[in-house]
Amino acid sequence: AQSVSQHNHHVILSEAASLELGCNYSYGGTVNLFWYVQYPGQHLQLLLKYFSGDPLVKGIKGFEAEFIKSKFSFNLRKPSVQWSDTAEYFCAVISMDSNYQLIWGAGTKLIIKP
Amino acid sequence: GAVVSQHPSRVICKSGTSVKIECRSLDFQATTMFWYRQFPKQSLMLMATSNEGSKATYEQGVEKDKFLINHASLTLSTLTVTSAHPEDSSFYICSARENPGTYEQYFGPGTRLTVT
Repeated sequence: AQSVSQHNHHVILSEAASLELGCNYSYGGTVNLFWYVQYPGQHLQLLLKYFSGDPLVKGIKGFEAEFIKSKFSFNLRKPSVQWSDTAEYFCAVISMDSNYQLIWGAGTKLIIKP
Repeated sequence: GAVVSQHPSRVICKSGTSVKIECRSLDFQATTMFWYRQFPKQSLMLMATSNEGSKATYEQGVEKDKFLINHASLTLSTLTVTSAHPEDSSFYICSARENPGTYEQYFGPGTRLTVT
């Protein structure tokens, strides 16, 4: 069965620190990859997505992610985090095998100390 | 952008009663809606997929007689938790997809169900 793993359940950083959240998936075929963010008290929002083309994808609010096919990874990065980035981040994958349904990671709760 | 609403945002009910949760796409027509359940510190678990005008497809392990899904129109889907028990307490999230050929889903804000 397909799975998506996010390496860290909790990350605590200070403002201006650099961020990298790991995401690995298990499916070997063609995939579409997503990062969603859920700010406290709000609903899930799409941060960025990868379908094809340039493996370095830029999203909203200064986030980017790099698809590395050989490593089955889609890590999320931001060079300098802000207090307002405190949220929960979810990686998700769609593949042919998942019948076009999103397979979710467990999420990473990011806390930014002011 | 596409907006999905859910009602109610929070509900508390007594064990044995039924609760209905509504999911609406406000500015687009949703050919497909998804219902998820989110447990604390865990990822979203897909419960079922519903296409307008047809029966919902339930994921393995989800009781279709307990979690009734009705996708009555292109803008409304409902989830009814029948004969609720405390173990049904959870955060229920719906999402909607506009076109069958697209992958992007728009999420509702979720409904916190507490069964006492």
